[in-house]
Amino acid sequence: KAGVTQTPRYLIKTRGQQVTLSCSPISGHRSVSWYQQTPGQGLQFLFEYFSETQRNKGNFPGRFSGRQFSNSRSEMNVSTLELGDSALYLCASSPSQTGYNEQFFGPGTRLTVL
Amino acid sequence: GQQLNQSPQSMFIQEGEDVSMNCTSSSIFNTWLWYKQDPGEGPVLLIALYKAGELTSNGRLTAQFGITRKDSFLNISASIPSDVGIYFCAISGGSNYKLTFGKGTLLTVNP
Repeated sequence: KAGVTQTPRYLIKTRGQQVTLSCSPISGHRSVSWYQQTPGQGLQFLFEYFSETQRNKGNFPGRFSGRQFSNSRSEMNVSTLELGDSALYLCASSPSQTGYNEQFFGPGTRLTVL
Repeated sequence: GQQLNQSPQSMFIQEGEDVSMNCTSSSIFNTWLWYKQDPGEGPVLLIALYKAGELTSNGRLTAQFGITRKDSFLNISASIPSDVGIYFCAISGGSNYKLTFGKGTLLTVNP
């Protein structure tokens, strides 16, 4: 099985712009989660989707949003970018409907905001 | 929110040595996971633990889910240079559908 794929791998934007990141989960996985990783804060949960429904959202401003499509692919969007949004954005998929399950991560998208 | 303390923060060891790292939480959880992350890549799942007291091995790696369900440790035996990376523990919250991660242990192996 192919693993979780994320596109693009690298992105450079300037403050005030918006960005959309894409994630394709492992085939058959219906749960997709997004995390932000920074040196200072570590891995922080952004949101989780299952069957196109957001089931949980982390403590991030409304500029961070996401969605999931019927084929389980997911996108996250960050509007009005700030310098502090520079981070590695990781997508993870899980095979189970419940939350008691391991998550498998993609390689991430490295976002740099100038 | 949940507190997850991972130690040590970093380790510098010689090739062939054994390594141990651990995580403790402020609350009880039903799932403990251990991941390894190489630079520029996403975390890779090493071991998943689902039962209190469970001891699971994956090659040279062994992890245990503490009997109190508030802690877990990961041991690496006979370390090799490719063991270099950041090791994270994570707890699954179940009904909130997210993982909470420790701050990580940076492992350096000197050949």
